[in-house]
Amino acid sequence: QQQVKQSPQSLIVQKGGISIINCAYENTAFDYFPWYQQFPGKGPALLIAIRPDVSEKKEGRFTISFNKSAKQFSLHIMDSQPGDSATYFCAASRGQAGTALIFGKGTTLSVSS
Amino acid sequence: DTAVSQTPKYLVTQMGNDKSIKCEQNLGHDTMYWYKQDSKKFLKIMFSYNNKELIINETVPNRFSPKSPDKAHLNLHINSLELGDSAVYFCASSQEAGGTEAFFGQGTRLTVV
Repeated sequence: QQQVKQSPQSLIVQKGGISIINCAYENTAFDYFPWYQQFPGKGPALLIAIRPDVSEKKEGRFTISFNKSAKQFSLHIMDSQPGDSATYFCAASRGQAGTALIFGKGTTLSVSS
Repeated sequence: DTAVSQTPKYLVTQMGNDKSIKCEQNLGHDTMYWYKQDSKKFLKIMFSYNNKELIINETVPNRFSPKSPDKAHLNLHINSLELGDSAVYFCASSQEAGGTEAFFGQGTRLTVV
């Protein structure tokens, strides 16, 4: 049973365009939703995260949109750059002792120049 | 100064051997994790320790045994290695429960031949 479903699996965007990656979750007990960025040969790095009490969070060119009723959240990368080419993972957790991040399957983003 | 460091970065070994991966974090975090990333880049939680106490033990073969000598270190020992154990293993740590704001190491690529 996949608790966090991520789409698309891969994405090609032109430089300067908007990249959008979507995630859906099933467990309504989840209360922490981060996005991680992973470059080849490196570990995942926390990009931005949101909690269910807000519908949007923006940090620079990265924005998370959160829809609690639909149990969906998305990552928007504005003005996408070749340096953004990486694999992006959404995740969710209950934020309690004895729990851990549950990851989506990842999206490989390629930004063409 | 690396926050979460793993050694070794690469590990190539024969089937049937026993190997260990070491992890250290200098962030002062209370909780540490082991994740496995398979060939399709899927990240799956294996174990979690909080202050040297095992708090998460997912469905992982008994051949895998984590050990936490202190809260800054979490090692992973694997007995009788099998071809299917080939993957990238990531150590992570977080101050809060549930993997909130978790930092990941650079990974250990294990190849079993």
